[in-house]
Amino acid sequence: GEDVEQSLFLSVREGDSSVINCTYTDSSSTYLYWYKQEPGAGLQLLTYIFSNMDMKQDQRLTVLLNKKDKHLSLRIADTQTGDSAIYFCAVTNQAGTALIFGKGTTLSVSS
Amino acid sequence: DTGVSQDPRHKITKRGQNVTFRCDPISEHNRLYWYRQTLGQGPEFLTYFQNEAQLEKSRLLSDRFSAERPKGSFSTLEIQRTEQGDSAMYLCASQGAVGTEAFFGQGTRLTVV
Repeated sequence: GEDVEQSLFLSVREGDSSVINCTYTDSSSTYLYWYKQEPGAGLQLLTYIFSNMDMKQDQRLTVLLNKKDKHLSLRIADTQTGDSAIYFCAVTNQAGTALIFGKGTTLSVSS
Repeated sequence: DTGVSQDPRHKITKRGQNVTFRCDPISEHNRLYWYRQTLGQGPEFLTYFQNEAQLEKSRLLSDRFSAERPKGSFSTLEIQRTEQGDSAMYLCASQGAVGTEAFFGQGTRLTVV
């Protein structure tokens, strides 16, 4: 089945850029998502990209997609302490009936 | 519309008891999902409804689990004869159409003692 892998931890200083990486196995995934989860809170959609795009920018967020390598990344510019959270990469399954999530990357931002 | 709501937010139950959770999706959304999230893991897909039809079930959904969406609106997830391994956060999400945002509820945290 579909597998989504992420590095578990990332630590950056306030004001730096953060890059969170994700790899997936199913090349038929049509939508690829980034979710944010703060402690005790639900999942918040940050952004998503359609598989026929290779880049999407939304304010401080930039998503890059390399379909050939099945690699997705999320760049957060000017990272703030409020960006500290767990970030999940998710892709649609082959049937388009579910999102398959990675284990999440814990982003820690120090001032 | 206040988004996806789940009830209860927390549930503590003794091993062997049955529990039922409820999810109220966003009213115009016809797609509804249940996920389970354990500590340190990402959400794991359990099942998917389109309107009242349950179209997909994960192999994680053992015979002790059953989900319904009788009128294509709210959904319930029942776990029979709970086990300690069932302790997790159970998340519900709804979606209007493929490719649009799937909105998640706050989840129901189940603790089996």
